Amino acid sequence: DGGITQSPKYLFRKEGQNVTLSCEQNLNHDAMYWYRQDPGQGLRLIYYSQIVNDFQKGDIAEGYSVSREKKESFPLTVTSAQKNPTAFYLCASSLTDRGLSYEQYFGPGTRLTVT
Amino acid sequence: KQEVTQIPAALSVPEGENLVLNCSFTDSAIYNLQWFRQDPGKGLTSLLLIQSSQREQTSGRLNASLDKSSGRSTLYIAASQPGDSATYLCAVPPANQAGTALIFGKGTTLSVSS
Repeated sequence: DGGITQSPKYLFRKEGQNVTLSCEQNLNHDAMYWYRQDPGQGLRLIYYSQIVNDFQKGDIAEGYSVSREKKESFPLTVTSAQKNPTAFYLCASSLTDRGLSYEQYFGPGTRLTVT
Repeated sequence: KQEVTQIPAALSVPEGENLVLNCSFTDSAIYNLQWFRQDPGKGLTSLLLIQSSQREQTSGRLNASLDKSSGRSTLYIAASQPGDSATYLCAVPPANQAGTALIFGKGTTLSVSS
């Protein structure tokens, strides 16, 4: 089955520790995205990548880092510089082409709790 | 900057009712609009994607319309069922941009009682 997997589903960390969230897709999509969701708020974009070895910051990139070494994978690292890291993190992917816009598909999410 | 608003924030209806969820956006220069469903603690499931050249899309009991000139979209759910209970989100790309990240509304949480 094609789809997007995120692991782990739940993650607990102590304040001051970096943590990496995994996102893998087998849909052969070029573009991948990381969003953050907080209670009562819409999804907010952290980073996105439209091609391997290239990525762009979203609205709330401070305290986060990403890499895109393979088409299938787009891991997100939450660093100790992120002031409020506790949230629900969602990864998405889509086809992409200049001038065209395609449906985005989402993974099941990772809930990160930092204490 | 593009902003997306969804009204109402919450809606409760008895089973069997037809209902409409609303989505508005501030800049009409969009390439498409996408409706999603989110169950508690889960990821988003894509329901419908309407391209800018389309007026509506249908999938089963769902019908989404798009009026770019007025900056509005509606999601119509026919004959609602308890299984329709979820949060419904609409999202658009930034104005005049394609193939990029989406801007989301805060969603409408629907509760259908049996």
